[in-house]
Amino acid sequence: QKEVEQNSGPLSVPEGAIASLNCTYSDRVSQSFFWYRQYSGKSPELIMSIYSNGDKEDGRFTAQLNKASQYVSLLIRDSQPSDSATYLCAVNANFGNEKLTFGTGTRLTIIP
Amino acid sequence: KAGVTQTPRYLIKTRGQQVTLSCSPISGHRSVSWYQQTPGQGLQFLFEYFSETQRNKGNFPGRFSGRQFSNSRSEMNVSTLELGDSALYLCASRRGDQGDEQFFGPGTRLTVL
Repeated sequence: QKEVEQNSGPLSVPEGAIASLNCTYSDRVSQSFFWYRQYSGKSPELIMSIYSNGDKEDGRFTAQLNKASQYVSLLIRDSQPSDSATYLCAVNANFGNEKLTFGTGTRLTIIP
Repeated sequence: KAGVTQTPRYLIKTRGQQVTLSCSPISGHRSVSWYQQTPGQGLQFLFEYFSETQRNKGNFPGRFSGRQFSNSRSEMNVSTLELGDSALYLCASRRGDQGDEQFFGPGTRLTVL
């Protein structure tokens, strides 16, 4: 079992709709969770960080964390063509071991 | 505030050579981590430096090494290059507090021929 799993996609969503990206992780002691966006040929860009169970909203983005079920998700509302990218879920194993473990990423395409 | 910078941006080497990559973190950030990204393996952690000390290391051979200077700038070295070392090498900086956010530089694209 991979430590961090994501559906590789591609995920196609119409412009203006909600895109839902999911991620599961295996290490129960994980404490910090991050979503990065990576455009083709570019480096990952941090979108959201979440540390506590529940929802965290930032503009059109909402991160959701459920530690009991070991999953974290990212919702993108009012999807725009510029949101087309690969979204990487990253998990920090635990405090004192500041290593990000990444999923393989979900490729998202927003259809105009 | 300036972001993370990496030099060089592109590099072409031949097998057996060695290479040094450089990373300057965001001002005030004390931690620098290095990652390798390939199409087959995705993003993999190499090592982390904090206050000039390696605090964490991934599962890479000893050919991969690094160091950090007193100004938090970091270098990564790969000796005896192999074809499989061709990758995007990414540096990420963070303040140094537990669990805080990591910000990536633009990366160095290394091609080994």
